[in-house]
Amino acid sequence: EIVLTQSPGTLSLSPGERATLSCRASQSVTFSYLAWYQQKPGQAPRLLIYGASSRATGIPDRFSGSGSGTDFTLTISRLEPEDFAVFYCQQYGTSPLTFGQGTKVEI
Amino acid sequence: QVQLVESGGGVVQPGGSLRLSCAASGFSFSSYGMHWVRQAPGKGLEWVTFIRYDGSNEDYADSVKGRFTISRDNSKNTLYLHMNSLRVEDTAVYYCAKNGPSGYDCYFDLWGRGTLVTVSS
Repeated sequence: EIVLTQSPGTLSLSPGERATLSCRASQSVTFSYLAWYQQKPGQAPRLLIYGASSRATGIPDRFSGSGSGTDFTLTISRLEPEDFAVFYCQQYGTSPLTFGQGTKVEI
Repeated sequence: QVQLVESGGGVVQPGGSLRLSCAASGFSFSSYGMHWVRQAPGKGLEWVTFIRYDGSNEDYADSVKGRFTISRDNSKNTLYLHMNSLRVEDTAVYYCAKNGPSGYDCYFDLWGRGTLVTVSS
């Protein structure tokens, strides 16, 4: 099973600042099959990024993903008030599908 | 309207059974693989199970293998999760989620709002 470790656990930032979230895999993620999700309290997760760097439909371009192999990054270029949430990475190159433990981005 | 709506959650005793349903609308349900993903209270996300678009193949997390069964009825645009031998640690919000465009795209591009399953005596 591929274990995904996200860091930091919590990121305290202000609107307008840049957020950089890390996701490290215990082994190489096949074909960079890595996705990122945003989850707000009481809501279902929302897909942001798939294939490590492709934005999902309707996702603003301030969200970007990068990386390959075992190291991946989600960057939010300028935080908007609605961006504060928990973010999860997920690998889908190998069964079982696994998630990271999440990074909370807070004000 | 493109959406997934789960139902069937509730309180059940350890060792009991429950069946969850997920009604799909607004897209061609029979063309896509489907998943169940769960989230224990205050915890992260855990993938549970997947079924291929035509029901010909399934995959399960080790934590539920042999106890849970995923199925689908494409004529009713509905996904199911049959849960047996429930344990306290199965307590979670259960989300159904749509697979990406191809069989290799096992990410979740549409989610339901979830249904809460509580296993308690």
